[in-house]
Amino acid sequence: NAGVTQTPKFRILKIGQSMTLQCTQDMNHNYMYWYRQDPGMGLKLIYYSVGAGITDKGEVPNGYNVSRSTTEDFPLRLELAAPSQTSVYFCASSLGGGGEQYFGPGTRLTVT
Amino acid sequence: GENVEQHPSTLSVQEGDSAVIKCTYSDSASNYFPWYKQELGKGPQLIIDIRSNVGEKKDQRIAVTLNKTAKHFSLHITETQPEDSAVYFCAASIAGGYQKVTFGTGTKLQVIP
Repeated sequence: NAGVTQTPKFRILKIGQSMTLQCTQDMNHNYMYWYRQDPGMGLKLIYYSVGAGITDKGEVPNGYNVSRSTTEDFPLRLELAAPSQTSVYFCASSLGGGGEQYFGPGTRLTVT
Repeated sequence: GENVEQHPSTLSVQEGDSAVIKCTYSDSASNYFPWYKQELGKGPQLIIDIRSNVGEKKDQRIAVTLNKTAKHFSLHITETQPEDSAVYFCAASIAGGYQKVTFGTGTKLQVIP
């Protein structure tokens, strides 16, 4: 199993551009999450999904959108990128709610 | 909602010494307490977890203790090695159903050879 994969690994965006961060898991997990990690800080939940077709906001959803059309994929969309969205983004999945989460390798995004 | 505080934010120890990281949580309903290790440039990875019906759990050089009354739990690493250098996160949640996991702010552990 590849586990949780994320693309791209690195990206530089100009202010106002848009992009989609891709996340795929091959463990048949129902739950998927997007976090951002700012330098020296912990993980903040952006959005989560409890199954295909079901998504909900986390702590810091503004400026982002998600969709979950399949069990495997959970892309994160950034519209109108702002410098405040410079961060490392992690996708994670879990079999059940509140249990062990499996993280992807992260996407380092810089908005200038 | 749940609030998890983690201390210290940085910790330096000599190789072979022990390291202790402490966390407190606020929601008495939380019953699952995982610890994640994040190596440089990688995503966090679970290293040990404990559930509220257990007071202590050990896995080789790593142990976690839980005090439900005081609402705090700790990670203990004995005989530290350079490869233990990483950022460690504690977390708390209610296992089962959907409950989001609340993470601490992380502890950067440096093991000095």
